[in-house]
Amino acid sequence: AQKVTQAQTEISVVEKEDVTLDCVYETRDTTYYLFWYKQPPSGELVFLIRRNSFDEQNEISGRYSWNFQKSTSSFNFTITASQVVDSAVYFCALSADYTGANSKLTFGKGITLSVRP
Amino acid sequence: SQTIHQWPATLVQPVGSPLSLECTVEGTSNPNLYWYRQAAGRGLQLLFYSVGIGQISSEVPQNLSASRPQDRQFILSSKKLLLSDSGFYLCAWRGPRGRETQYFGPGTRLLVL
Repeated sequence: AQKVTQAQTEISVVEKEDVTLDCVYETRDTTYYLFWYKQPPSGELVFLIRRNSFDEQNEISGRYSWNFQKSTSSFNFTITASQVVDSAVYFCALSADYTGANSKLTFGKGITLSVRP
Repeated sequence: SQTIHQWPATLVQPVGSPLSLECTVEGTSNPNLYWYRQAAGRGLQLLFYSVGIGQISSEVPQNLSASRPQDRQFILSSKKLLLSDSGFYLCAWRGPRGRETQYFGPGTRLLVL
């Protein structure tokens, strides 16, 4: 069975601080995909990044960066110089490399990030 | 480009009334389609998925049903709503193999009173 754990439930930072959101996953599959989604107050889930299990290269996109480590089954997300617009709920998710039901996303419970001005 | 629509955006229904939520996708063919529910406390749970017209699989036994009458249309229904059906319903689509990301619609907020 697949499982995603986001141990942090709520994080509050002051604008311009760096913040790291943790994600730990469990899967028996050798090939899988990891995702981060952002859910602003409007509710829509916005896709941020997808990482394949065979690609451990870290990625940076502007103020966002992701650290994927298979050895610790972690896929952490760092926001550098946080801004008020970053305030949202962030979900980490896992999907197996199959069609149909096995491509479903298993979500963590989400982390509520509040960035104060 | 692909877009996904859901309606209505918000719905308030009495207990025991029927339900029909619609999801449509544009700009792609033969997508995998999914219905998720996010209850209070924000956990997301897969309810149904479909790999083609008329092909529906249920993940969780419940008071709801789904149908896919057309390639890019996915409908979530209930004959009699329960209080516990309240929540935020999200539809998602996934493209052909090799493009494994699921993209979500704007969601429908359902309140059952």
